[in-house]
Amino acid sequence: DTAVSQTPKYLVTQMGNDKSIKCEQNLGHDTMYWYKQDSKKFLKIMFSYNNKELIINETVPNRFSPKSPDKAHLNLHINSLELGDSAVYFCASSLGGRTEAFFGQGTRLTVV
Amino acid sequence: DAKTTQPNSMESNEEEPVHLPCNHSTISGTDYIHWYRQLPSQGPEYVIHGLTSNVNNRMASLAIAEDRKSSTLILHRATLRDAAVYYCILRPTLNFGNEKLTFGTGTRLTIIP
Repeated sequence: DTAVSQTPKYLVTQMGNDKSIKCEQNLGHDTMYWYKQDSKKFLKIMFSYNNKELIINETVPNRFSPKSPDKAHLNLHINSLELGDSAVYFCASSLGGRTEAFFGQGTRLTVV
Repeated sequence: DAKTTQPNSMESNEEEPVHLPCNHSTISGTDYIHWYRQLPSQGPEYVIHGLTSNVNNRMASLAIAEDRKSSTLILHRATLRDAAVYYCILRPTLNFGNEKLTFGTGTRLTIIP
């Protein structure tokens, strides 16, 4: 009974394509996040949503568009994929933005 | 965001206690100290957090210095499953609209069988 689930787990795609990563949490949390972990294993916040409203956008290129249809879902759509987008993307959720965060298992995106 | 400093790596023998240090000399009075860990090929996992007093839970203990400029995560009896990267993170409580975890480089803990 996974708390934060992401799909797909692996994604290999060509440069220039558009792809989406889905995230769902069943914890009743109101805040969801997307993090990116690059090849050097550095984890960096990309977006944060609270009650479906965007509250953090950390200077991410506008090719990345998060969408939160409801509080339990935060999807990430990426247009015109570039080689530098290759990374592991983690979705997370928390209650109120200050309690412990729960992370998904990650989506490994490889752009070729 | 206030900065934390951790050793890049540490080793410990299996079934022995592990003390993971973290320095945070610029911590503000309203910053909570959070610890997360990331096991290989997994997402980060919450370990423990505290404000001023020492904290214990089923996973670990957190010892916070009296001046709050440093803290130590204590794993009482390390197992091979505890091999991970451990992150010490300061999380502000009076900063609505900026709720996020700012990860540093963490400490890579290796457990020796």
